[in-house]
Amino acid sequence: GENVEQHPSTLSVQEGDSAVIKCTYSDSASNYFPWYKQELGKRPQLIIDIRSNVGEKKDQRIAVTLNKTAKHFSLHITETQPEDSAVYFCAASILASYDKVIFGPGTSLSVIP
Amino acid sequence: EAGVAQSPRYKIIEKRQSVAFWCNPISGHATLYWYQQILGQGPKLLIQFQNNGVVDDSQLPKDRFSAERLKGVDSTLKIQPAKLEDSAVYLCASSPGQGYTGELFFGEGSRLTVL
Repeated sequence: GENVEQHPSTLSVQEGDSAVIKCTYSDSASNYFPWYKQELGKRPQLIIDIRSNVGEKKDQRIAVTLNKTAKHFSLHITETQPEDSAVYFCAASILASYDKVIFGPGTSLSVIP
Repeated sequence: EAGVAQSPRYKIIEKRQSVAFWCNPISGHATLYWYQQILGQGPKLLIQFQNNGVVDDSQLPKDRFSAERLKGVDSTLKIQPAKLEDSAVYLCASSPGQGYTGELFFGEGSRLTVL
């Protein structure tokens, strides 16, 4: 089955700097890659996603890149702010009849004011 | 639009006791998921329903965990008997259904502590 790895497990950046989180997946059939943000004690919420027919997607300060050949994808956050502090999870899924979503282990991001 | 509802939010039990968690998905969502999130780890899929049928339960410890989704709406996850390692947050999520690939809508979770 699908296996998603993620690194780093923890990341500290100064406010205003950029943060990059990288993920790899094992199943070459995966073609949908969402990113979820989970603040302490709260539910995971989708922040951005990318499909395999696209190499990059951007939404304001957040961008995701995908390299299907290498089976890895990355989250880029620019101009980080303290409210970006949270745990970020990447995930992989296969566009099929049933959408089984497999999550990575998470990256705890701390933005230092 | 109402979100995914879960209860109870918190539960503390002794090992070998039983516990049940309830989830009501967003109205009209055909797919329902139960995830287990151990502290410091990513959500792990336990079981996935499409309407009232199970489409994946490969990670569900069936000797102690059971889940049902009668009538294809709300769902119950039961643990009996509980072990210390079952301490986790149990997240329920839903999505519109077959052929849809997009956001999973999570509930607030049910935090289980097994002593």
